[in-house]
Amino acid sequence: ELKVEQNPLFLSMQEGKNYTIYCNYSTTSDRLYWYRQDPGKSLESLFVLLSNGAVKQEGRLMASLDTKARLSTLHITAAVHDLSATYFCAVAWGNDMRFGAGTRLTVKP
Amino acid sequence: DSGVTQTPKHLITATGQRVTLRCSPRSGDLSVYWYQQSLDQGLQFLIQYYNGEERAKGNILERFSAQQFPDLHSELNLSSLELGDSALYFCASSVDLGSQETQYFGPGTRLLVL
Repeated sequence: ELKVEQNPLFLSMQEGKNYTIYCNYSTTSDRLYWYRQDPGKSLESLFVLLSNGAVKQEGRLMASLDTKARLSTLHITAAVHDLSATYFCAVAWGNDMRFGAGTRLTVKP
Repeated sequence: DSGVTQTPKHLITATGQRVTLRCSPRSGDLSVYWYQQSLDQGLQFLIQYYNGEERAKGNILERFSAQQFPDLHSELNLSSLELGDSALYFCASSVDLGSQETQYFGPGTRLLVL
């Protein structure tokens, strides 16, 4: 069974600092997604990673994928308050998809 | 605004009842996805349709069904409702089937089963 683990589940960081969210999964997969959800809001697609070594960047967020380690990371550079949200990874396996539990990120001034 | 609309925004019903949630994708998007988000089970992928045909199926209960109509809007039918079906239901759309396609999410329907 495909299992997806995110850590940490809660992350409080100061503005200007760097940090990484980890997404581990249990079974070989062919694609991995990152999403953002603001409190009380819907989801927003951030990245789709398809191949080993894939790296994508948007602003202060950078996502990478290591399929051999079954690990994806979402790196936050020089955090700002606007990045406060919950971040989910999701792993696709055939026609199914499983989500991580989410990482609630709070960026403090 | 993502361009994806969902109705109703809120729905309160009783156990055993049946409800229909509606999703209109962005103009031109052929693919529609349904997701459930609950406190107990987190986010779950339910089902995907592409141009009227079912293309992928996730953790969708047999009491739930969906379809995509010729005008590309989609409906998610939930029957014999249980308390545990209380959740946020999101739909998303994308242009095509391709795995790289960005999904655009609707605002969600909040379902409360009493």
